[in-house]
Amino acid sequence: AQSVAQPEDQVNVAEGNPLTVKCTYSVSGNPYLFWYVQYPNRGLQFLLKYITGDNLVKGSYGFEAEFNKSQTSFHLKKPSALVSDSALYFCAVRNDNQGGKLIFGQGTELSVKP
Amino acid sequence: NAGVTQTPKFQVLKTGQSMTLQCAQDMNHNSMYWYRQDPGMGLRLIYYSASEGTTDKGEVPNGYNVSRLNKREFSLRLESAAPSQTSVYFCASNGEFEAFFGQGTRLTVV
Repeated sequence: AQSVAQPEDQVNVAEGNPLTVKCTYSVSGNPYLFWYVQYPNRGLQFLLKYITGDNLVKGSYGFEAEFNKSQTSFHLKKPSALVSDSALYFCAVRNDNQGGKLIFGQGTELSVKP
Repeated sequence: NAGVTQTPKFQVLKTGQSMTLQCAQDMNHNSMYWYRQDPGMGLRLIYYSASEGTTDKGEVPNGYNVSRLNKREFSLRLESAAPSQTSVYFCASNGEFEAFFGQGTRLTVV
């Protein structure tokens, strides 16, 4: 069965500093990996995806993520955090060879302070 | 282009009552999902539909039923609501890669 783990419930960063939100996954075969963001009282918004190709993928709002197959990780990064980046971030995995279900991690609350 | 539309946005039920959450997408997607979101638990998959006429259980299907009426619509039914089903429910549809989410239904069972 596929699964996703986000080891940190909360990440606190000062504005202007780099940020990392961690994600590890467990799936057989080649996964599709995603990051989504949720602002208060809103649905989830797509940030970026890894399907194949370059291990470093770039997405919306200056975010990027690095796929590491040997460590089964897909950490979300941003070089310089903004206060407006404060939100709930979800990592997700999908394996079309296992029925195509989209499974999410438990989420990480990112707080960026001025 | 509405994307994914869920109704209702808010609902309060008494224990034992039934209700159906509606979801429709206008993006011609094959795959649709129902999730529930609880504090500290992330999004947990309730049911999944890979295409019209097919449904499959997710991580937490007990107490729920679904119906994929056609390619656009995927409804979630609570036959006998319980307080443990108090949650925020999200419907999503999946294109080739990323999923698109509705705005959510906040359900309280008292």
